[in-house]
Amino acid sequence: KAGVTQTPRYLIKTRGQQVTLSCSPISGHRSVSWYQQTPGQGLQFLFEYFSETQRNKGNFPGRFSGRQFSNSRSEMNVSTLELGDSALYLCASSPLTSRGETQYFGPGTRLLVL
Amino acid sequence: ELKVEQNPLFLSMQEGKNYTIYCNYSTTSDRLYWYRQDPGKSLESLFVLLSNGAVKQEGRLMASLDTKARLSTLHITAAVHDLSATYFCAVLRAGSYQLTFGKGTKLSVIP
Repeated sequence: KAGVTQTPRYLIKTRGQQVTLSCSPISGHRSVSWYQQTPGQGLQFLFEYFSETQRNKGNFPGRFSGRQFSNSRSEMNVSTLELGDSALYLCASSPLTSRGETQYFGPGTRLLVL
Repeated sequence: ELKVEQNPLFLSMQEGKNYTIYCNYSTTSDRLYWYRQDPGKSLESLFVLLSNGAVKQEGRLMASLDTKARLSTLHITAAVHDLSATYFCAVLRAGSYQLTFGKGTKLSVIP
């Protein structure tokens, strides 16, 4: 079974621009979560989608948004980029028919904001 | 607010030795996860612990969960260099689908 895929793998943007990251979950997985990883703050939860509905949202400003499509693929968007948005963005998928199932992580998108 | 604390944050150990990584969390939860991350790579799932007293083992790693003490441990037996990585514990907040991660324990196993 193919794993979680994320595109692009690397991105360089400048302050003020916007960016869209894409995540394709493992086939059959309906839950997709997004996390931001930085050396200072560690791994922080952004949001989680299940069947195109956002069920949970982390403590990030409104510049961070996401959506999920009917095929479970998900995108996240960051508008008006700031230097502090430089991070590794990880997507995770899970069948999540119950709360205890493992979340499987993709390789991540490394975003650098100049 | 759910807080997850790991200690130690850095661990340097010799091959063949045993050691334990601790993960404390601040509010009720009965879903705890351990992940491994190699430098520049993503997170690899190691264990899912779903109930009080749960113990799981894979090779030289053994994880346990005590929900009453709000404590999980990851025990390393007879460490080998290949275990060098950063290990994260993560807790599923009650009633949500949001994982809260500890800051990670960077393990270096020295020959």
